[in-house]
Amino acid sequence: GAVVSQHPSWVICKSGTSVKIECRSLDFQATTMFWYRQFPKQSLMLMATSNEGSKATYEQGVEKDKFLINHASLTLSTLTVTSAHPEDSSFYICSAFPTNPRDEQYFGPGTRLTVT
Amino acid sequence: QQQVKQSPQSLIVQKGGISIINCAYENTAFDYFPWYQQFPGKGPALLIAIRPDVSEKKEGRFTISFNKSAKQFSLHIMDSQPGDSATYFCAASPDKAAGNKLTFGGGTRVLVKP
Repeated sequence: GAVVSQHPSWVICKSGTSVKIECRSLDFQATTMFWYRQFPKQSLMLMATSNEGSKATYEQGVEKDKFLINHASLTLSTLTVTSAHPEDSSFYICSAFPTNPRDEQYFGPGTRLTVT
Repeated sequence: QQQVKQSPQSLIVQKGGISIINCAYENTAFDYFPWYQQFPGKGPALLIAIRPDVSEKKEGRFTISFNKSAKQFSLHIMDSQPGDSATYFCAASPDKAAGNKLTFGGGTRVLVKP
């Protein structure tokens, strides 16, 4: 149990376009989901906290107009990278925190974004 | 004060040896300390976690040692195997229920030589 999926697993897009990444909790409900960004050989950097039915909370330095987060249901959160640029190329990882019972958060497999 | 410092950045160990990774934190509000294993191109997976009411926790070949007064915790991988070659991250959270944000250490790349 406690499986989190991400779609797509990898995506290549042209500079200036937008790309949407989905994060789904497959066998549990998650009130809270987190979005991380990871550069090669670096640690995970928290970008934002996504709560179902409310606006996401962004970490300092993360542009909320560039990284749009929507948590429309208890099993789905989406991250949209708007007007992507090459510097947005990274590995994006989500995690989901089960609503009940409370337990550790579970991580998705990640999405590799390459902006050309 | 949110920082978690992890060392070493990398280590090489022979098969059957012990891998030891250390982490130190500053925020005394942290009370949940998980360790994650990450393979290239994959998301991190929870290995083992500890709360400050115990000084040690063991699960199979993995052991966490926790020193609350020193604000340090470590991961020991016993009988290291080539399949353990991965990057390991320590993390800390201020919420016992693990619902709050995790602060990650910088990571340790472990290579187990056969």
